[in-house]
Amino acid sequence: GAGVSQSPRYKVAKRGQDVALRCDPISGHVSLFWYQQALGQGPEFLTYFQNEAQLDKSGLPSDRFFAERPEGSVSTLKIQRTQQEDSAVYLCASSLGALGQGYNEQFFGPGTRLTVL
Amino acid sequence: AQSVSQHNHHVILSEAASLELGCNYSYGGTVNLFWYVQYPGQHLQLLLKYFSGDPLVKGIKGFEAEFIKSKFSFNLRKPSVQWSDTAEYFCAVISGGSYIPTFGRGTSLIVHP
Repeated sequence: GAGVSQSPRYKVAKRGQDVALRCDPISGHVSLFWYQQALGQGPEFLTYFQNEAQLDKSGLPSDRFFAERPEGSVSTLKIQRTQQEDSAVYLCASSLGALGQGYNEQFFGPGTRLTVL
Repeated sequence: AQSVSQHNHHVILSEAASLELGCNYSYGGTVNLFWYVQYPGQHLQLLLKYFSGDPLVKGIKGFEAEFIKSKFSFNLRKPSVQWSDTAEYFCAVISGGSYIPTFGRGTSLIVHP
């Protein structure tokens, strides 16, 4: 079946531009996570959705970062006024169950590589 | 806060060599432990996990990992690597009471045929 997809796969932005990154989770998956992976580092948590509810946004690095999942399926991560330090791979992952329902394996997408010039 | 250390950033081996990748974490309480693998051009995927029970965990493709609580370690092993094991390997830890994984910075493994 189809896995998690993300678009675009690559994005180049000039400093100060706004960008929107899309994540299509596996159909029926309740949980959705966003991660930021800087070059040479492991993924770092940004935010978590359970259906359409954003239950945790503790990892968002600044108020320039905003995420939504209005209908509980597709999610968009928006970065306003991009800065060079925002350059990274942004990963999306989804899992079947909600938190508190035991272990649910996260399935990762291919990521969007954002380069801010 | 939890931190995860992967001491080997780059490992180069010949086929049939044995592999051990180190992973150490800082939190001393209950932990759930994971190894993920990312093959070239592919998604990050789960290799194996430990929640409780037998500290020696077997995963896919002949990989195994051993949880040693006293050493805060969860090292990944494979007795005989293959060229197809060339990939980036990430250790991750979820501390008790949390659901957010903390990842190590990864180890790049290159296996020469």
